[in-house]
Amino acid sequence: AQSVAQPEDQVNVAEGNPLTVKCTYSVSGNPYLFWYVQYPNRGLQFLLKYITGDNLVKGSYGFEAEFNKSQTSFHLKKPSALVSDSALYFCAVRDSDSGAGSYQLTFGKGTKLSVIP
Amino acid sequence: ETGVTQTPRHLVMGMTNKKSLKCEQHLGHNAMYWYKQSAKKPLELMFVYNFKEQTENNSVPSRFSPECPNSSHLFLHLHTLQPEDSALYLCASSQDGASGREQFFGPGTRLTVL
Repeated sequence: AQSVAQPEDQVNVAEGNPLTVKCTYSVSGNPYLFWYVQYPNRGLQFLLKYITGDNLVKGSYGFEAEFNKSQTSFHLKKPSALVSDSALYFCAVRDSDSGAGSYQLTFGKGTKLSVIP
Repeated sequence: ETGVTQTPRHLVMGMTNKKSLKCEQHLGHNAMYWYKQSAKKPLELMFVYNFKEQTENNSVPSRFSPECPNSSHLFLHLHTLQPEDSALYLCASSQDGASGREQFFGPGTRLTVL
């Protein structure tokens, strides 16, 4: 079974400060990890993913995430937050060993990010 | 702007109505998905089609019926729904169903069942 946890329902950060949105996961095999963002009244937009290779992944809009296998974490980060980054952020995981025919991507409950001017 | 469109954007229906949600992707993808997004709950995968074949049905009630006539179009037929079915229904597509593929989402249909 695979699962993902986003321990914070809401994160508040001042504009210009660094931001971190936390995500931890559980899989039996190797994880494929994703971050998505959802703005009000919109669908989810893909930000970045980790499949293999370098533990630091860079994505859209200046976001990056660090894969930490020992801590089973994939936290989303940005060095300097913008007001326009305010949105709902979802972490998702898929077990690379889930087998052919299984297409389940498991999402976290989401973390609401508010960037304060 | 993601290349996945959904119609209608909003739908209000009674419990005895029959309606359909439509999704179209312009990305040349071969896998399409239906998700349900309810307040305070994680996204729930409902159905998956890979190369027009339904590959996953996550114990979805039979009052939801998917249809995938080709790789670009996906429908969700609705009949005799319940008020608890009110939610945002999201369509997504990916290049194929392989594990590492990111999914591209449409804007969703906000469904209200009275």
